[in-house]
Amino acid sequence: AQKITQTQPGMFVQEKEAVTLDCTYDTSDQSYGLFWYKQPSSGEMIFLIYQGSYDEQNATEGRYSLNFQKARKSANLVISASQLGDSAMYFCAMREYGDSSYKLIFGSGTRLLVRP
Amino acid sequence: KAGVTQTPRYLIKTRGQQVTLSCSPISGHRSVSWYQQTPGQGLQFLFEYFSETQRNKGNFPGRFSGRQFSNSRSEMNVSTLELGDSALYLCASSSGSGGTWDTQYFGPGTRLTVL
Repeated sequence: AQKITQTQPGMFVQEKEAVTLDCTYDTSDQSYGLFWYKQPSSGEMIFLIYQGSYDEQNATEGRYSLNFQKARKSANLVISASQLGDSAMYFCAMREYGDSSYKLIFGSGTRLLVRP
Repeated sequence: KAGVTQTPRYLIKTRGQQVTLSCSPISGHRSVSWYQQTPGQGLQFLFEYFSETQRNKGNFPGRFSGRQFSNSRSEMNVSTLELGDSALYLCASSSGSGGTWDTQYFGPGTRLTVL
């Protein structure tokens, strides 16, 4: 079974508008972390935002915020005021703390294209 | 602080050869993880090293191996290369403290092409 599901292979957004990238996850661990990364065409994975399973507040980092709904097991990334430089692949990832593993489990990604 | 560096950035090898990739973590980070990214399989965890010891290993054949040095720099080796080993190999470093908040920061990757 997929542990991280990103159902949007590709999305378009108009410059300066907000966009939501979906991510659902599956785990039986009580303690886990959720991460979003951005991968431009250059290939480097850029860390954007983190949400811990015990965090009560939704994480925010500048124009990025994470809409964390624990009961629904979803961790959607919201990008406000989109910029042309936001065009990239976006990956949702999870780390389960149960086995103390550092393994990040990634979704298949969403390709975002920002239109001028 | 300098970020994670990986060398070389690009490699072309032929089937049956072996290859060694290098990763230098962020200064002060003691954990190094390796991932393989392919169009078909996506991003998959290879292994993680901390203080020169392999702590975790993904589901890859024994042809894939790694090591970590006392300065936390890490290398991964792939022996007897196959066409399917063509991929972007990403290295990530983190403090290694163990908490779920311990973020992994990635390098630019090494793009390996096997002919």
